[in-house]
Amino acid sequence: NAGVTQTPKFRILKIGQSMTLQCTQDMNHNYMYWYRQDPGMGLKLIYYSVGAGITDKGEVPNGYNVSRSTTEVFPLRLELAAPSQTSVYFCASSRGGVNIRGEQYFGPGTRLTVT
Amino acid sequence: DAKTTQPPSMDCAEGRAANLPCNHSTISGNEYVYWYRQIHSQGPQYIIHGLKNNETNEMASLIITEDRKSSTLILPHATLRDTAVYYCIVRVARGYSTLTFGKGTMLLVSP
Repeated sequence: NAGVTQTPKFRILKIGQSMTLQCTQDMNHNYMYWYRQDPGMGLKLIYYSVGAGITDKGEVPNGYNVSRSTTEVFPLRLELAAPSQTSVYFCASSRGGVNIRGEQYFGPGTRLTVT
Repeated sequence: DAKTTQPPSMDCAEGRAANLPCNHSTISGNEYVYWYRQIHSQGPQYIIHGLKNNETNEMASLIITEDRKSSTLILPHATLRDTAVYYCIVRVARGYSTLTFGKGTMLLVSP
């Protein structure tokens, strides 16, 4: 298994541009998540999904959109990029159902700079 | 979810045990203690979790006090590759498992 994969690894955007961060998992996990991590800080949840077609906002959703058409893929869309969105973005997944482990598997991250 | 308090940084000599403390004095009866770590520039990695009993796996041991208000993550023989930020997270077990990350403890393992 490749686990959770993310593309691209790095990206530089100009203010006002848009882009999609890709995330794919091959573990057949129901739950997927997007986090951002600003320098020297912990991770903050942007959006999550409990299954295909179902998404919900996390702590910091403004400026982002998500969709989940299949179990495997969970892209994050940035519209009208702003310098405040400069961050490292992590995608994660976990098993659904009765799961008290809460073990999340993380991708390697996408480092985004908006200038 | 209950809040946690961790020291911002700790040092450990290679080969020695690293003991990372976490206070969670407002923990509820149905909340678990989870530990993750993040090696520089990588995604976080699950280490271990527990409810009230001590737990051990191939990576670490978790000691939870009897009143559950604090816990200690133990890396029995720290190596240079264990240098990372360690996050203690308290959360209920629910259908989806979002995690709230604080600033964690930066563990530096030195030769």
